[in-house]
Amino acid sequence: NAGVMQNPRHLVRRRGQEARLRCSPMKGHSHVYWYRQLPEEGLKFMVYLQKENIIDESGMPKERFSAEFPKEGPSILRIQQVVRGDSAAYFCASSPGTAARNIQYFGAGTRLSVL
Amino acid sequence: DQQVKQNSPSLSVQEGRISILNCDYTNSMFDYFLWYKKYPAEGPTFLISISSIKDKNEDGRFTVFLNKSAKHLSLHIVPSQPGDSAVYFCAASAEGSGGSNYKLTFGKGTLLTVNP
Repeated sequence: NAGVMQNPRHLVRRRGQEARLRCSPMKGHSHVYWYRQLPEEGLKFMVYLQKENIIDESGMPKERFSAEFPKEGPSILRIQQVVRGDSAAYFCASSPGTAARNIQYFGAGTRLSVL
Repeated sequence: DQQVKQNSPSLSVQEGRISILNCDYTNSMFDYFLWYKKYPAEGPTFLISISSIKDKNEDGRFTVFLNKSAKHLSLHIVPSQPGDSAVYFCAASAEGSGGSNYKLTFGKGTLLTVNP
């Protein structure tokens, strides 16, 4: 299966702990996007990365959240000192590029629950 | 400020009939629109898209119509099948001046139920 792979699928954390969400893009895709879906809401853009570069992080909270897409390995979305309001589904998407309206292909998501 | 609105949280249709899902947008910079389908516990799956230079795009049983003057688009599924039961998200992006064509803005989704 060459689709977008996210893990873990479910993550439970206590308030104040750190959450690390991983995303491996589709084969041949070098562009990664992270979206967050709060209950009863649509997906909201967080950050767009290319290999080793953050292109646009305008949708990401300024504190506690960070993202990276290293030269080797998956993209990581890191949430430090989680709070209950961070409970959501986090989706990663990938595309081969942004030219010619590349379609974004989504992973199954990581459901974060903060106790 | 919700720039993409799907005002019907749910829709129920009989198998074989037409399903019409609606979407409105407020940002006149949007020039590309997509529909995604999402099953429970899965990620959104791309269905069909339309550029603002067109008013209709068709792919098999799925047709998307765009009315730019009304800032409205709709997805028609004909004939509807039980396997079409899912949440459908409308999404938009902007490539024009000041836009970021990679940044998708999603509606809240419409749950479609197709009854056998």
